[in-house]
Amino acid sequence: ETGVTQTPRHLVMGMTNKKSLKCEQHLGHNAMYWYKQSAKKPLELMFVYSLEERVENNSVPSRFSPECPNSSHLFLHLHTLQPEDSALYLCASSHGLVSSGDEQFFGPGTRLTVL
Amino acid sequence: GENVEQHPSTLSVQEGDSAVIKCTYSDSASNYFPWYKQELGKGPQLIIDIRSNVGEKKDQRIAVTLNKTAKHFSLHITETQPEDSAVYFCAASQGNFNKFYFGSGTKLNVKP
Repeated sequence: ETGVTQTPRHLVMGMTNKKSLKCEQHLGHNAMYWYKQSAKKPLELMFVYSLEERVENNSVPSRFSPECPNSSHLFLHLHTLQPEDSALYLCASSHGLVSSGDEQFFGPGTRLTVL
Repeated sequence: GENVEQHPSTLSVQEGDSAVIKCTYSDSASNYFPWYKQELGKGPQLIIDIRSNVGEKKDQRIAVTLNKTAKHFSLHITETQPEDSAVYFCAASQGNFNKFYFGSGTKLNVKP
């Protein structure tokens, strides 16, 4: 257990559905991240939040909408996704931003399949 | 931007043998190089890292070497055990959270 939990662990949705991924960290960290992990491709950083403020959006399509209501919770709202969005979505947290050399702790991920 | 290449994509070794995974990077400004281990059904976990002011770092059976001139760094696992079987990722960073680039991963299989 890394102290970062994600729900659901698996999600199957149609292209017209709206769903949300949830991440919760129990480590008292101030920074949280969303990554996309596709098969045989490098992890792609999607969003970064520091002290509940979004500090990075790596050219992610608007069909992905993050929300960080407090420093312990991070959501990824999904709507009108495409089949190519099927991937493992990983949440991570760190005490400070990775730039300060703080280790990132990853959750187990949500396996998303878009039909 | 930075380009991190990782080789091999798959690696199979006999228990007790050593395993070496190599990564190259393109941006000489990168100065932080972590390695992650991802077991099935879990997220990546940091196992060792190295900064550009150090050439080698060791932690029990795991070591990482860095050649800044050639822009490559390697993960060495000695006396491999079946529980070392996992996917290993390298990464390179310039110290900024938005400049954190991962390799495509190496699936290591340690045969008992």
